[in-house]
Amino acid sequence: EIVLTQSPGTLSLSPGERATLSCRASQSLSSSYLAWYQQKPGQAPRLLIYGTSTRATGIPDRFSGSGSGTDFTLTISRLEPEDFAVYYCQDFGDSPRITFGQGTRLEIK
Amino acid sequence: QVQLQESGPGQVKPSETLSLTCTVSGVSGDSITNYYWSWIRQPPGKGLEWIAYIYSTASTNYNPSLESRVTLSMDRSKNQISLKFRSVTAADTAVYYCARHPPTRPHYMDVWGKGTPVTVSS
Repeated sequence: EIVLTQSPGTLSLSPGERATLSCRASQSLSSSYLAWYQQKPGQAPRLLIYGTSTRATGIPDRFSGSGSGTDFTLTISRLEPEDFAVYYCQDFGDSPRITFGQGTRLEIK
Repeated sequence: QVQLQESGPGQVKPSETLSLTCTVSGVSGDSITNYYWSWIRQPPGKGLEWIAYIYSTASTNYNPSLESRVTLSMDRSKNQISLKFRSVTAADTAVYYCARHPPTRPHYMDVWGKGTPVTVSS
């Protein structure tokens, strides 16, 4: 079973700053299968990135994904007020098929 | 565009069976059997846990940690995906989401419902 560990647990930044969120896997992943979601309070998660680096429809280009093997990163180049939320990485594997990281909370400093 | 609407009882008693339904709209000209559909849950203040997915009415895959208590089904005529969760306990209290996977790609979920809260309490 693959375990996804996200860090940091909480990231405190100011609007305009750059955010770097990490997702580390317990074993090597296919880059085709790593996705990122954003979740705001009281809302469902929203797909941001799939296949490690492909932005979903309507996602601004300040969001970017990268990585390979066991280390993956979500970068928000210049934080907007609406970007403060919880972010989850997700893998598609053998068993269970879908695994989520525990989340990183991005809060306003 | 595609919209998902979860529905359920809101509250169930411990040891009972929880039944939830996800109604899909906006798939005119297409069939829900062409897609993978997942259920995911989120306990209060916690992260996301994938429960299971279903594809083409009969192909299912379950989270091994929940498999013994969960059954998914699909009703193409009603555009609905259903989840039955047996022998619930307080630990099953959560918001339950249904989500769609893109065609032929079960790797991620691109459309989510708003979720339905479930409380397990006597």
